[in-house]
Amino acid sequence: DTGVSQDPRHKITKRGQNVTFRCDPISEHNRLYWYRQTLGQGPEFLTYFQNEAQLEKSRLLSDRFSAERPKGSFSTLEIQRTEQGDSAMYLCASSSRDVRGEQYFGPGTRLTGT
Amino acid sequence: DAKTTQPPSMDCAEGRAANLPCNHSTISGNEYVYWYRQIHSQGPQYIIHGLKNNETNEMASLIITEDRKSSTLILPHATLRDTAVYYCIVRVVNTGNQFYFGTGTSLTVIP
Repeated sequence: DTGVSQDPRHKITKRGQNVTFRCDPISEHNRLYWYRQTLGQGPEFLTYFQNEAQLEKSRLLSDRFSAERPKGSFSTLEIQRTEQGDSAMYLCASSSRDVRGEQYFGPGTRLTGT
Repeated sequence: DAKTTQPPSMDCAEGRAANLPCNHSTISGNEYVYWYRQIHSQGPQYIIHGLKNNETNEMASLIITEDRKSSTLILPHATLRDTAVYYCIVRVVNTGNQFYFGTGTSLTVIP
């Protein structure tokens, strides 16, 4: 399968801990997106990379959140000092330069706070 | 913010066509209409998109009104596996910008 993969699929955290999620996009895709989804809501945009450059960040991405895509391939999303409100599904998507621009989503990482 | 309005939920009998409406009255001339769906606990799945002409692929058909202020996604023969939340999104193609998903329509296919 050559789709978008995310690791881990589930993460349990205690308040104050740091967590890191990984996303591996479809190999030929140069654009990568992170979204967050809470129960009953649609996905909300967090940030976007074109190759290794982070070009756009949502106001939802507080100072505790940082994303990287060091070699323009996989990406990591780190949350420092997790809070209860960070509990959500974190989704990664990738797209190519094709004019259609549809995004292909991974299965997500579910973060649960205890 | 989301630029579309969709009914929160719909039911459809298995084997019948499911017609999911979407209003996008403020759509701009260079904005495409995209449809995605999300089956429980999975990532969203691309279905179809269009600008002003009707589109069809192996999954669905997209009917866009002439004034482009609304559209309908048609699943021609709904199956139980089509039970999902369906999102209608408008965006400018190829800008790299994010999708604004809204809350979508929860479609339940009934046996």
